[in-house]
Amino acid sequence: NFMLTQPHSVSESPGKTVTLSCTRSSGNIGNNYVQWYQQRPGSAPSCVIYEHKERPSGVPDRFSGSIDTSSNSASLTISGLKTDDEADYYCQSYDGDNQVFGGGTKLTVL
Amino acid sequence: QVQLVQSGAEVKKPGASVKISCRASGYTFKIYYIHWVRQAPGQGLEWIGRLNPSGGSTITAQSFQGRVTMTMDTSATTVFMELSSLGPEDTAVYYCSRGGSGNDHWGQGTLLTVSS
Repeated sequence: NFMLTQPHSVSESPGKTVTLSCTRSSGNIGNNYVQWYQQRPGSAPSCVIYEHKERPSGVPDRFSGSIDTSSNSASLTISGLKTDDEADYYCQSYDGDNQVFGGGTKLTVL
Repeated sequence: QVQLVQSGAEVKKPGASVKISCRASGYTFKIYYIHWVRQAPGQGLEWIGRLNPSGGSTITAQSFQGRVTMTMDTSATTVFMELSSLGPEDTAVYYCSRGGSGNDHWGQGTLLTVSS
């Protein structure tokens, strides 16, 4: 079993670039795909990155994903921040057949 | 278009059970797993388990084993999640989601309130 740890909150200004991290506690981050979900208040989550770095159709290319095996972490980078990007972001991976979610990061754009 | 439509809000007393439905449409039902995820008020996402509509096999998170039953009605393209022995800590929004490229489509959520 492993945990995915995310910073509780991050703030950045419109137009800037922000990187959200997701650190896997044990086992290699590269062994299992990482997904990222955006959740706005009162709404269901929606996937913005799947399989480490792939973007679903309709997700702007301002969103990008990557993994870093040296730090055993995944990252979601959002460039050209818009106020509409303000949301909670969750990383998710797999432990065998089970899904594991990080605790989420609240992104504030102001 | 792909849609997952869940049943409405529920209020239950401690010790009771609840059965939430998730009707899928707009795609071939048997191809994609259906996952259940919950979110307690102000908290993060917690994976409950998943059902494989091709055969009906299920996997349940350890913390829910013995309390969760996932079933399906293939003819109605509907998946059900039943949670028993409810306690106040089960108060949450429950989501179904399709396991495609990531969990690529989600239901609107079902609010379960457990209160005496």
